[in-house]
Amino acid sequence: QVQLHESGPGLVKPSETLSLTCTVSGYSISSGYYWGWIRQPPGKGLEWIGNIYHDGSTYYSPSLKSRVTISVDTSKNQFSLTLSSVTAADTAVFYCAGRGIVGAIFDYWGQGTLVTVSS
Amino acid sequence: QSALTQPRSVSGSPGQSVTISCTGTSSDVGGYNYVSWYQQHPGKAPKLIIYDVSKRPSGVPHRFSGSKSGNTASLTISGVQAEDEADYYCCSYAGNYIVVFGGGTKLTVL
Repeated sequence: QVQLHESGPGLVKPSETLSLTCTVSGYSISSGYYWGWIRQPPGKGLEWIGNIYHDGSTYYSPSLKSRVTISVDTSKNQFSLTLSSVTAADTAVFYCAGRGIVGAIFDYWGQGTLVTVSS
Repeated sequence: QSALTQPRSVSGSPGQSVTISCTGTSSDVGGYNYVSWYQQHPGKAPKLIIYDVSKRPSGVPHRFSGSKSGNTASLTISGVQAEDEADYYCCSYAGNYIVVFGGGTKLTVL
């Protein structure tokens, strides 16, 4: 059974960098799939942030590309998100997810973690 | 990429059919047969219920079906049940490894 679990600070100050890690169990990151992040501001819809392949290839949302970095650590079966220069508008539940190689199929989801941007 | 357009809310009585639309452009919904739908209950992670426009993952009830015409995809729930009350999101491939979500639709079962 594939499981994803997000971890990281729940509170980040404005202008600082948000960092989250997703640990995958039950499946080797190196076996395939794109791994990535989706966020959901409170009471709002889902927004795709970006994906990474196990070889390190990255694909980002054009609207967030300048502030986002996704990296992978295959030895730990983990991948990570950093989002720089955060503002209150970046407050959201962040989900890590596994996406199929073809199309727009997010098969696997973490439970989500709320990150609040506030001083 | 702009978010796909969904109605903010739909409703139906138990046993009725309900359809949720998802409108994009020729660069996303209309350009690929890669539309997926997700069901999200309050406080929970989204769950995949339809992929590649009309395919159902194992374990998803047959009352959920998907279709597409031009730049608009649709999710139909035939014989809606109380447990179907949730938020529903469409998602489309938009080329160059990019995907875009819809704004979400709240389904109320009357």
